[in-house]
Amino acid sequence: GAVVSQHPSWVICKSGTSVKIECRSLDFQATTMFWYRQFPKQSLMLMATSNEGSKATYEQGVEKDKFLINHASLTLSTLTVTSAHPEDSSFYICSASGRTGNFETQYFGPGTRLLVL
Amino acid sequence: AQTVTQSQPEMSVQEAETVTLSCTYDTSESDYYLFWYKQPPSRQMILVIRQEAYKQQNATENRFSVNFQKAAKSFSLKISDSQLGDAAMYFCAYSTNRDDKIIFGKGTRLHILP
Repeated sequence: GAVVSQHPSWVICKSGTSVKIECRSLDFQATTMFWYRQFPKQSLMLMATSNEGSKATYEQGVEKDKFLINHASLTLSTLTVTSAHPEDSSFYICSASGRTGNFETQYFGPGTRLLVL
Repeated sequence: AQTVTQSQPEMSVQEAETVTLSCTYDTSESDYYLFWYKQPPSRQMILVIRQEAYKQQNATENRFSVNFQKAAKSFSLKISDSQLGDAAMYFCAYSTNRDDKIIFGKGTRLHILP
């Protein structure tokens, strides 16, 4: 099946620094990727939709200047958390849309755990 | 706005028994997809089963089956012959063809009792 990777799997950073998370579709091309945030014991909340070659579409309440998304190729999207603060600590998950037979299916990455000190 | 509701925060079932997880949703769309995802302790999201709204037949995948009641906007998941490896968080989810966005319910944590 299709595989999506994320790097790093976990990161610890100091408050005020920026952190970049990569999401790659390893064996398929994804015109659309999605970024989610998951707090402990909660559900996944969609942050933004990333389309290759165009600006990301952010969900209501998500600061676009805080969470920079770049989708420069059909296999790579990046999420940069700028000037990270402790409240940004969370589990970030990406997914990539790929076609399986007649259906578009979303394949999820393993997630990145971010801890801001 | 579309919403997905899972009213059971936690459930437990004896190993080898059958358990049903509930899910209701709200939408004004006529063409959409419904999913059940499993999130084990590793936190990797795993697609368990999907249902196309235009199909009347309930989807099945081995020990997993759904009861899709379109008029009632209900989409429950039945797990037969529960196994220890089924212990996980289960999310009911919704998506449309328009934008592929997935909306997740709050999840049900399933415990399997040996």
